[in-house]
Amino acid sequence: DAKTTQPPSMDCAEGRAANLPCNHSTISGNEYVYWYRQIHSQGPQYIIHGLKNNETNEMASLIITEDRKSSTLILPHATLRDTAVYYCIPNRVLTGGGNKLTFGTGTQLKVEL
Amino acid sequence: GAVVSQHPSWVICKSGTSVKIECRSLDFQATTMFWYRQFPKQSLMLMATSNEGSKATYEQGVEKDKFLINHASLTLSTLTVTSAHPEDSSFYICSASSLDPGSEAFFGQGTRLTVV
Repeated sequence: DAKTTQPPSMDCAEGRAANLPCNHSTISGNEYVYWYRQIHSQGPQYIIHGLKNNETNEMASLIITEDRKSSTLILPHATLRDTAVYYCIPNRVLTGGGNKLTFGTGTQLKVEL
Repeated sequence: GAVVSQHPSWVICKSGTSVKIECRSLDFQATTMFWYRQFPKQSLMLMATSNEGSKATYEQGVEKDKFLINHASLTLSTLTVTSAHPEDSSFYICSASSLDPGSEAFFGQGTRLTVV
């Protein structure tokens, strides 16, 4: 599995965009980049994933560099409820389903007024 | 989105007793589920892969006789912590994906186990 590097913590003002970087320079060609977040004392929540192209959904946007060695998760208008630990996880989906995820240390995002 | 339900949300038990935690996929079938453990201020650590109809696969360092996993149906996996000790106190979390290739993993809300 590819190793990841994320800043341990970031602060963001409410209403501003939060840009969370992730370095995954050893990612394999068949590994997607998944982003999850974990709000304190809850199970992780899926945010978004992508392979090569940039992706956007109702929660966030994912920008993947052309060489796929890094990506950035963008929360366009952060709110206090977005305070959480954000995990970037390169992952190869197992045949027949199943998503075995290896969690790194993630980025603690703190959204403040 | 898909829902994974975990029960109980928290449990306190005495040393030496066993505790069973259930993980259910409510609106999809999952041949594979995963069990994680998380200690305070640490990240999630994968414990084992639960396979429907066959034996679970345990990660290195996880005692299979202590953490019994049963995946009897496509929507239910159980983790039993046997002869629990205070050092087993942790946050246990399960995840499941549907059979669709590329489907994301959905996580239960976690179970806080405290062994006294």
